[in-house]
Amino acid sequence: GENVEQHPSTLSVQEGDSAVIKCTYSDSASNYFPWYKQELGKRPQLIIDIRSNVGEKKDQRIAVTLNKTAKHFSLHITETQPEDSAVYFCAASGMDAGNMLTFGGGTRLMVKP
Amino acid sequence: NAGVTQTPKFQVLKTGQSMTLQCAQDMNHEYMSWYRQDPGMGLRLIHYSVGAGITDQGEVPNGYNVSRSTTEDFPLRLLSAAPSQTSVYFCATHAGTSGSYEQFFGPGTRLTVL
Repeated sequence: GENVEQHPSTLSVQEGDSAVIKCTYSDSASNYFPWYKQELGKRPQLIIDIRSNVGEKKDQRIAVTLNKTAKHFSLHITETQPEDSAVYFCAASGMDAGNMLTFGGGTRLMVKP
Repeated sequence: NAGVTQTPKFQVLKTGQSMTLQCAQDMNHEYMSWYRQDPGMGLRLIHYSVGAGITDQGEVPNGYNVSRSTTEDFPLRLLSAAPSQTSVYFCATHAGTSGSYEQFFGPGTRLTVL
């Protein structure tokens, strides 16, 4: 089955700096790569996703890049703000297992004012 | 639209007790799934369904049963609760290959097994 690894597990940045979180996946058949933000005690919320036929996608301060050859994808957050502080999860899915998600272990992002 | 709802929000069980976690959706999605999230970890897939009458196992299915008699409901049953099943359980839905892959999560059920 799919295996997703995520780094770093914790990340501390100053407000206004950029944050980068990286994930690798094992199954070359995976074709959908979402990123979720989870605040304490809340459900995961989708912040951005990318499909395997696209190399990069951007939504305001958030961008995701995908390298299918190397089987890794990254989340980039620019001009970080204190409200960006949360746990971020990457995930991957493919046609197998009903497009269900395999999650990375999460990154706790702390943005210091 | 309520989206994805889960009941109960919190539950405490004793070892050996059984219970059912409820999940319902009004998004008319064919695909539904159950994940568990242990402290400091990502979500892991327990069981999933690609339509009414069809279920399959995920990564961590042992100790859990599911059924899917309607499009809207996908209950998760704990047969004999164990402390290792203490976790937060999330139900999720998505439209599947006929639509967006985006998964929508319910608010979660926090389960403690003593």
